[in-house]
Amino acid sequence: QQQVKQSPQSLIVQKGGISIINCAYENTAFDYFPWYQQFPGKGPALLIAIRPDVSEKKEGRFTISFNKSAKQFSLHIMDSQPGDSATYFCAARRRNSGAGSYQLTFGKGTKLSVIP
Amino acid sequence: KAGVTQTPRYLIKTRGQQVTLSCSPISGHRSVSWYQQTPGQGLQFLFEYFSETQRNKGNFPGRFSGRQFSNSRSEMNVSTLELGDSALYLCASSLTGPATNEKLFFGSGTQLSVL
Repeated sequence: QQQVKQSPQSLIVQKGGISIINCAYENTAFDYFPWYQQFPGKGPALLIAIRPDVSEKKEGRFTISFNKSAKQFSLHIMDSQPGDSATYFCAARRRNSGAGSYQLTFGKGTKLSVIP
Repeated sequence: KAGVTQTPRYLIKTRGQQVTLSCSPISGHRSVSWYQQTPGQGLQFLFEYFSETQRNKGNFPGRFSGRQFSNSRSEMNVSTLELGDSALYLCASSLTGPATNEKLFFGSGTQLSVL
């Protein structure tokens, strides 16, 4: 069962445009929502993250919008650049019972291509 | 500060064999998590180790196992390899794990091909 659904699978945006990637979840136990960026041949790297008590978080050209009632969150990349071409993963964290540990569940990823 | 180091970078095995992958976390990090990345399924959580103890485990068969040493280095082992095990295996480290909103630092992964 896929707990975090991410769309679209791929996205082509012109330089200077806005890239939007969406994620949806069902489990209300999720309490932290990070986005990771992965370049070819590299591991994912944390880009930006949000907690559900905040509706929006902005860092430079990257913004997360969070809709708790709809259980959806999205990443907006303003003024997209060719250097932003990468695969983006949304994720959601929940606490596991017993061990007191937490687990990240990732979406399947969106391959973004920004064309000049 | 050196990043997360995974070895080997590439590995080719045949069905039925077993394989051991290694991960050296960032110095001082005590939590090591392993993920399997495939084009169809994205990143799937395998397990997490903290202070030499498996703290969390994903939904993978028992053929997938791991351990962590006293210096926080971790290994994962896959026995009786199947074609479907072909994937990029990623290791991520952090000071204490996902609980404190910490960044997970990922290595570049080990690309395993099973023929």
